[in-house]
Amino acid sequence: EVKLVQSGAGVKKPGESLRISCKATGYSFNNYWIGWVRQMPGKGLEWMAIIYPGDAETRSGPSFQGRVTISADKSISVVYLQWSSLQASDTAIYYCARVKSPGVLDEAVFDVWGRGTMVTVS
Amino acid sequence: DIVMTQSPDSLAVSLGERATINCKSSQSVFYSSNNLNYLAWYQQKPGQPPKLLIYWASTRESGVPDRFSGSGSGTDFTLAISGLQAEDVAVYYCQQYYSTPYTFGQGTKLEIK
Repeated sequence: EVKLVQSGAGVKKPGESLRISCKATGYSFNNYWIGWVRQMPGKGLEWMAIIYPGDAETRSGPSFQGRVTISADKSISVVYLQWSSLQASDTAIYYCARVKSPGVLDEAVFDVWGRGTMVTVS
Repeated sequence: DIVMTQSPDSLAVSLGERATINCKSSQSVFYSSNNLNYLAWYQQKPGQPPKLLIYWASTRESGVPDRFSGSGSGTDFTLAISGLQAEDVAVYYCQQYYSTPYTFGQGTKLEIK
């Protein structure tokens, strides 16, 4: 069974750094794009960034470039999302999700989702 | 970025009836070389992550009931739910995956009348 298990909720202060994680199991981690989606309280879904663990190629939305860093550790099948300096506006649920088809970024829909990590900055 | 606009923002439909949700993209998401529309639909129930329903505008994901159907091409798309059931109460999102960032619509909240 394909599963994405995300790290637990956290409360941070503005200016602090944070790294959240997503552990993938049940499939060949290196061969599928995987990414992050933000959902601010009571709001819709925002596509943030994706990474191809095989070669660490990334794609990011302009709204998030320079604000967060996506990375992956192939040796343990984990993808990360990292902030160097949190802001109150980063308060949200962050979902990791896997792109449906392996390899070439074409059928780039998210077919498997984690349960979400709630990040509170206050 | 491609802007995705859904309508309506919310709707209430009686059990057993048909619900339709529209999605419009700011530019075409149709790729002529493979004749495919790069448009997906997701369902998100309260307290849960989103669930993929439809991709390529009209292909149902495995396990999705056939009362969910997608249609449209170019810039205008529709998600239809026939024979509405109580379990269909959710927020529905369209998403384009034609070009990054793969933007979502703002969501449509579906309730039972």
